[in-house]
Amino acid sequence: DTAVSQTPKYLVTQMGNDKSIKCEQNLGHDTMYWYKQDSKKFLKIMFSYNNKELIINETVPNRFSPKSPDKAHLNLHINSLELGDSAVYFCASSQVGGESYEQYFGPGTRLTVT
Amino acid sequence: RKEVEQDPGPFNVPEGATVAFNCTYSNSASQSFFWYRQDCRKEPKLLMSVYSSGNEDGRFTAQLNRASQYISLLIRDSKLSDSATYLCVVSKAAGNKLTFGGGTRVLVKP
Repeated sequence: DTAVSQTPKYLVTQMGNDKSIKCEQNLGHDTMYWYKQDSKKFLKIMFSYNNKELIINETVPNRFSPKSPDKAHLNLHINSLELGDSAVYFCASSQVGGESYEQYFGPGTRLTVT
Repeated sequence: RKEVEQDPGPFNVPEGATVAFNCTYSNSASQSFFWYRQDCRKEPKLLMSVYSSGNEDGRFTAQLNRASQYISLLIRDSKLSDSATYLCVVSKAAGNKLTFGGGTRVLVKP
């Protein structure tokens, strides 16, 4: 069973479009995250939700809107896509306050904006 | 200055050799430290946590130097399968957001 899954794995779209990426975890974790890894391979946190509440919101354009319908799901909607949004987006989850703070990452969504 | 800095490499390592590399962090309030491993076009995975007294996991040894604000990773008896990018990760508090370094690429060659 996949612990953290993301769909789609690849996404190619044109500038100006709106797209969504979905994430699900079956680990029973209470916290989920979205990260962006750019072409220079730096992995930066964008958002974090704990039990459906937004707890981390880094300096991200408001074209990016996360939504957590329940603690096992965290989706990312992006409006008016720009060339600079091209990157790999990783979802992750962890159990904050547990014995281990390890974050488990999904396989990533490779977004290409043309 | 980046919060977490790493030598990007690549470190070209003969199979069976030892390789070590460091990572420096700028925030003295950092409390938790980790090494993650990322294979090409894959997701990062936790390799090991780094404890104040230093810790070892098989062929991997991690050290923390709070005074100089750096952590290190040493890989002994390198295997071809150790080829990957090693990401240094720090956090201000347990469970808080993780700050990743840019990664050190290691290539183990026969």
